[in-house]
Amino acid sequence: DGGITQSPKYLFRKEGQNVTLSCEQNLNHDAMYWYRQDPGQGLRLIYYSQIVNDFQKGDIAEGYSVSREKKESFPLTVTSAQKNPTAFYLCASSFAAPPLGYTFGSGTRLTVV
Amino acid sequence: GENVEQHPSTLSVQEGDSAVIKCTYSDSASNYFPWYKQELGKRPQLIIDIRSNVGEKKDQRIAVTLNKTAKHFSLHITETQPEDSAVYFCAASIQGAQKLVFGQGTRLTINP
Repeated sequence: DGGITQSPKYLFRKEGQNVTLSCEQNLNHDAMYWYRQDPGQGLRLIYYSQIVNDFQKGDIAEGYSVSREKKESFPLTVTSAQKNPTAFYLCASSFAAPPLGYTFGSGTRLTVV
Repeated sequence: GENVEQHPSTLSVQEGDSAVIKCTYSDSASNYFPWYKQELGKRPQLIIDIRSNVGEKKDQRIAVTLNKTAKHFSLHITETQPEDSAVYFCAASIQGAQKLVFGQGTRLTINP
């Protein structure tokens, strides 16, 4: 599916629970990113990783955590500390600077119930 | 850090007319400017991009222009069609950076 796969497509979480969103790419991209999109809003950067075992906070990292143990994978955990987690989450990957070939996954819609 | 402002937030045009979306950026070191189209419930997809050493780029009905002095770039869609209805995002990347900074998006509606 375009070389970058997100799962699941829909996710429901009870308040107080942690959930992990999966992102896998087979494009041999070095960098991977997580964005949050709220209805009618733009794309806000949560975390990004330029190389394995290294990642940086984006603009809205509070309440989220990530890991980058493999080049192909960049999972995002939405923790119970995230006060308003209901949103559409998009993963992306790209080659090195400048970020050419910036490709998005199909997204995960997370709903807190 | 880099900041990208996008206008208008919504745009409605008659089928066959042209649409123009404008973005301004804050950091003169920005050197890469892509545009993405996002249909309802789908992922954003790259439609055109431009590097800072080029002033204009065209791809069929779509064109992007860049004014480095004024620090703004624009998306032009000619002969609009119903399938052009979507949300469009501009973005910018600072030289040496590996991340894109996105504008707030423009919801384009093509009226038949």
